[in-house]
Amino acid sequence: GAGVSQSPSNKVTEKGKDVELRCDPISGHTALYWYRQSLGQGLEFLIYFQGNSAPDKSGLPSDRFSAERTGGSVSTLTIQRTQQEDSAVYLCASSLPGLAGGMDEQFFGPGTRLTVL
Amino acid sequence: QKEVEQNSGPLSVPEGAIASLNCTYSDRVSQSFFWYRQYSGKSPELIMSIYSNGDKEDGRFTAQLNKASQYVSLLIRDSQPSDSATYLCAVKTITGGFKTIFGAGTRLFVKA
Repeated sequence: GAGVSQSPSNKVTEKGKDVELRCDPISGHTALYWYRQSLGQGLEFLIYFQGNSAPDKSGLPSDRFSAERTGGSVSTLTIQRTQQEDSAVYLCASSLPGLAGGMDEQFFGPGTRLTVL
Repeated sequence: QKEVEQNSGPLSVPEGAIASLNCTYSDRVSQSFFWYRQYSGKSPELIMSIYSNGDKEDGRFTAQLNKASQYVSLLIRDSQPSDSATYLCAVKTITGGFKTIFGAGTRLFVKA
């Protein structure tokens, strides 16, 4: 696969349930981002992984949200005790940033549409 | 002040005209700037990146960067109805960590 893949493409869950969203980045890309996009809104930054550095979690909206990246590749975003306001499209992107933080052209996956009933 | 600001639009231009999209940013030491296009119901896709002051042209698209004034713009020449989309400006910040911040996007309509 040449691009970023995400699964599932759609997830419908009941309020209070936990969900896991998966992202497979482009092979060799060291940076991985998670974003959230509500209908008609812009991209909301959630979390950023870069190589072996500690992730930047500054965008996570609450402690119900967590993410991990195993082996520097696949990432999982977990939302515990889902709420209706968590309903959105969750987008993952990967990049190969240049030295000193420059460049960072991101390639996006197709997203996971989460609906919390 | 938002870190990356864009006029939400919609911006409406006739087919064949030049569409001009603007973006301002707050982190003066930002080094990398990007324009993404997002069609309704789809994911963003990169169309231009720019790192130095001045203009960068790619086909019908020209990105312009002015670091002193902290703005970046995207010009689309000979606009086509297929250019109708939301255009997202993104800036790689240094202050607060090396992450990329997106603007809310400008909706562009190109009328046939």
